[in-house]
Amino acid sequence: KQEVTQIPAALSVPEGENLVLNCSFTDSAIYNLQWFRQDPGKGLTSLLLIQSSQREQTSGRLNASLDKSSGRSTLYIAASQPGDSATYLCAVDRGSTLGRLYFGRGTQLTVWP
Amino acid sequence: NAGVTQTPKFQVLKTGQSMTLQCAQDMNHEYMSWYRQDPGMGLRLIHYSVGAGITDQGEVPNGYNVSRSTTEDFPLRLLSAAPSQTSVYFCASSPDRGRGGPNVLTFGAGSRLTVL
Repeated sequence: KQEVTQIPAALSVPEGENLVLNCSFTDSAIYNLQWFRQDPGKGLTSLLLIQSSQREQTSGRLNASLDKSSGRSTLYIAASQPGDSATYLCAVDRGSTLGRLYFGRGTQLTVWP
Repeated sequence: NAGVTQTPKFQVLKTGQSMTLQCAQDMNHEYMSWYRQDPGMGLRLIHYSVGAGITDQGEVPNGYNVSRSTTEDFPLRLLSAAPSQTSVYFCASSPDRGRGGPNVLTFGAGSRLTVL
């Protein structure tokens, strides 16, 4: 069974810092890896999706990398802002046509002014 | 576009009661799924559907039923609610993997269910 682990579980940083969130998975036979953002009481918003043939994706201040062989992904957030405060979830797709995602438990990020 | 719409947003049930969580999407997505999110557990897949008339079990299907009579709707039924089903439920949809492209899920806002 695929297991996804996210470290750290919580992170509190001052505004302006660059930070890295980590995600690891046990089965390297993945199709996609996605990073989601979840605000309190809200649904999930897809931030970045990395296909298995790719090594990284960028969107604005966000950069996600993928190393399938080591079973790791990192989400890099540059110049953090209070509006970045949320829970960040990592999920992997094992590649079947069924599209089932395996989620980590998330990293709760707080960026204070 | 409304995207994925879930109703109700909040519900309180007594043990043994039944109810249906509604999910509708207007994006003509083939794939729909239900997840539950519990503190410290992450999201876990309950049931999913790859198209109208086709459903299958996910990781935690016990106590839940689903049906997919149309492409747009994917209701989740609790036949006899139990306190262990207290959770936040998310519906998600995506285009058909077989038509190419990655499986980018669009999530609903969630339904918070409390079973007393």
